[in-house]
Amino acid sequence: GIQVEQSPPDLILQEGANSTLRCNFSDSVNNLQWFHQNPWGQLINLFYIPSGTKQNGRLSATTVATERYSLLYISSSQTTDSGVYFCAVEQYGQNFVFGPGTRLSVLP
Amino acid sequence: NAGVMQNPRHLVRRRGQEARLRCSPMKGHSHVYWYRQLPEEGLKFMVYLQKENIIDESGMPKERFSAEFPKEGPSILRIQQVVRGDSAAYFCASSPGAEQYFGPGTRLTVT
Repeated sequence: GIQVEQSPPDLILQEGANSTLRCNFSDSVNNLQWFHQNPWGQLINLFYIPSGTKQNGRLSATTVATERYSLLYISSSQTTDSGVYFCAVEQYGQNFVFGPGTRLSVLP
Repeated sequence: NAGVMQNPRHLVRRRGQEARLRCSPMKGHSHVYWYRQLPEEGLKFMVYLQKENIIDESGMPKERFSAEFPKEGPSILRIQQVVRGDSAAYFCASSPGAEQYFGPGTRLTVT
């Protein structure tokens, strides 16, 4: 099956810093989503982005489907950004496969 | 439009008991997915259902686990004779076709 890798596994930032999280996948996909799991365990949809670039406030994402990777940018990080960021991919007719996540800690 | 709803949010069961987890999809969504998350791990697919049909249960353990999505009412994930290893967070997601939206999860603890 498809393999999904995320880097870095852990990231510690000072409030106000910017960061880039990466998701690599081993085969072509027809669906890619980014999620934030907050410290209370809730999964929050960030982006549905099988290709192209999207922005939502301080967050933006880019997926280059032909090169099999996606990037999540967080600018001017806040303590509320802390948690685990997952990317998940889906191939046509297959199931959603989650990456292992990037654990982000934003320090005040 | 209310989001995906799951109940209960927390469930404690003794070994050998049954656990029933409920998921109400978002209005207009006909696809329901169940995932399991063990502590410090990512989510793992269990089963994909549409109304009255199991489409894919390749991620579901062969024994003790079952799922349904009846014509009326919520989707149910049922775990019979629970064991300590079943302790996890169980998430449900619904979709109109592509993008998936997740519920808040049910945290099952088996004592």
